[in-house]
Amino acid sequence: QMHLVQSGAEMTKPGASVTVSCKASRFTFNSFHIHWLRQAPGEGLEWLGWINYKYGDTNYGQKFQDRVTMTRDTTIATAFMELNTLKSDDTAMYYCATEGRHCSGAGCPLDYWGQGALVTVSS
Amino acid sequence: DIVLTQSPAILSLSPGERATLSCRASQSIKLSSLAWYQQRPGQAPGLLIYEASIRATDTPARFSGSGSETDFTLTISSLEPEDFAVYYCQQYGTSPLTFGGGTKVDFK
Repeated sequence: QMHLVQSGAEMTKPGASVTVSCKASRFTFNSFHIHWLRQAPGEGLEWLGWINYKYGDTNYGQKFQDRVTMTRDTTIATAFMELNTLKSDDTAMYYCATEGRHCSGAGCPLDYWGQGALVTVSS
Repeated sequence: DIVLTQSPAILSLSPGERATLSCRASQSIKLSSLAWYQQRPGQAPGLLIYEASIRATDTPARFSGSGSETDFTLTISSLEPEDFAVYYCQQYGTSPLTFGGGTKVDFK
């Protein structure tokens, strides 16, 4: 069973950038997508986008198109999400998640989740 | 974007009772590509149900999903203490992936 380990909490200022990493252990990501999501304190889940681990192509949510960059390093089985021009309402727990266990013709739900990385944006 | 509306926002029940959670989509979800997740406090969400009605590996049999097109339901037949949590529906058939606002099942 895949295990995703994310980088630690970050505290940063408005206007700055943050990078969160997500490392797969036990298995690699294979050819699936690595999704990034976030959850503001006391709120629901919001999808930022995905990166295809094998080919590196990306699909970003329109809201984040101009501010997010997703990359991966296959040599270390790690994906990265950079969010720039941070604002206070970017304060949230950021999760990576991936697929693979329950894919079908209908698509792939999110089977495996990282533990989350809390990003706090405050002056 | 497909908007998912969950109801009720809060469901107050006792252990042993039946829980019925609703998820309504703003447009038809293709191939029933709808999932349910459980999130306990301080934890990441975990997959319960996918393709509207198929239990994920390790999901207890007391959880069941039903529905199609725009109306979906998650039922917990008899609540166990560990089931008191927040539940989210999610559609994964159309980009962008979207989630409902969640239903919190708490103790009456």
